[in-house]
Amino acid sequence: NAGVTQTPKFQVLKTGQSMTLQCAQDMNHNSMYWYRQDPGMGLRLIYYSASEGTTDKGEVPNGYNVSRLNKREFSLRLESAAPSQTSVYFCASRETGGQPQHFGDGTRLSIL
Amino acid sequence: QKEVEQNSGPLSVPEGAIASLNCTYSDRGSQSFFWYRQYSGKSPELIMSIYSNGDKEDGRFTAQLNKASQYVSLLIRDSQPSDSATYLCAVNRVNRDDKIIFGKGTRLHILP
Repeated sequence: NAGVTQTPKFQVLKTGQSMTLQCAQDMNHNSMYWYRQDPGMGLRLIYYSASEGTTDKGEVPNGYNVSRLNKREFSLRLESAAPSQTSVYFCASRETGGQPQHFGDGTRLSIL
Repeated sequence: QKEVEQNSGPLSVPEGAIASLNCTYSDRGSQSFFWYRQYSGKSPELIMSIYSNGDKEDGRFTAQLNKASQYVSLLIRDSQPSDSATYLCAVNRVNRDDKIIFGKGTRLHILP
């Protein structure tokens, strides 16, 4: 039972490069989320998708785009990476209706 | 005012004592509340969910919710060294936009 799977686990980019972080869940959850975590900052919501076909901005959406490819997959794209986007990125999913989230193991991203 | 506020700590508690962690939130429309534990370098894991005023107990953990005062707390009885971690409070505005917003987390250190 994989739960929430994030790829890659680690990545180093140069400023200006682009990349896509992948997230897939096998729990048939409706809602999916992308967070970033910086030291001392807790988890900050980047984007979320309450259901297949919908996406909404969170607290810190600038510099990111998302795609809810299907019910299982929710990707996060950095079009032109900046050093300020160095962070640990977590994907989460859950059923709707106020249920708790299940988290992936995270992607550690460094931008030089 | 931040949506979800926690004292960042560190909070130091002797082994065997009660650890008390507090969280306040600003949106009165919030309806679901979660406590997550996060070990260094790991993803958050759910400890407790609480949805109505009062206390909810699960083993050594008790969550307390007071919607009138807009705070939620977590008590850990008989604290163990393995409880040393960062504790994240999360608040869900179910009937508005379904966002889940996290506080910055409280670092807890259990002294052997």
